[in-house]
Amino acid sequence: QLQLKESGPGLVKPSETLSVTCSVSGGSISTRGYYWGWIRQPPGKGLEWIGSLYYSGSTYYNPSLKSRVTISVDTSKNQLSLKLSAVTAADTGIYYCARSQSSQDAFEIWGQGTMVTVFS
Amino acid sequence: QSALTQPASVSGSPGQSITISCTGTSSDVGSYSLVSWYQQHPGKAPQLMIYEVSQRPSGVSNRFSGSKSGNTASLTISGLQAEDEADYYCCSYAGFSSVMFGGGTELTVL
Repeated sequence: QLQLKESGPGLVKPSETLSVTCSVSGGSISTRGYYWGWIRQPPGKGLEWIGSLYYSGSTYYNPSLKSRVTISVDTSKNQLSLKLSAVTAADTGIYYCARSQSSQDAFEIWGQGTMVTVFS
Repeated sequence: QSALTQPASVSGSPGQSITISCTGTSSDVGSYSLVSWYQQHPGKAPQLMIYEVSQRPSGVSNRFSGSKSGNTASLTISGLQAEDEADYYCCSYAGFSSVMFGGGTELTVL
């Protein structure tokens, strides 16, 4: 069955760029019709949608983060990537990747998440 | 883009039914039948419980049901069980290819 696994740096300094990768196993990231999303969760707080990538390559971003976010895919490695620039302490949290086979809001498969702390 | 509004907490006794509301606007919840609900236990990733307002993914108990009226969506859990104690988040398509989550509701089973 499809599995997602995030990996990240753990610690990032303020003003630098956060980079997180989602490795997909048990299926192809290029499968027709799927959305691949990034969602984050600050410690003790709720979920925030960061953005999504459609199988065709189209990307969609949270308007509040759009100027700092880039989501891309490496089909040769079957990986989804997230880059968030100019990070601050407010970007600290667990970063999840997830897949939706129906609509942009309905993520039925999630990774375990990776914790990223912005710390100087 | 503000988060959808959910009550911070709800509680119920085993066997009872509870309902969690999720209030948006005419630009998101009110305009689309694309509302989903997630359950999250401490330290775990969220799990999809409801999609397209009222559809249940395979494997989700039929004790979980969803509905929508106007700008407000609702999740109802019937026959409350101890294992239902968790945080619950609603999520809605918000147009222009964007998505938003609710602030989350902590469910306590008394």
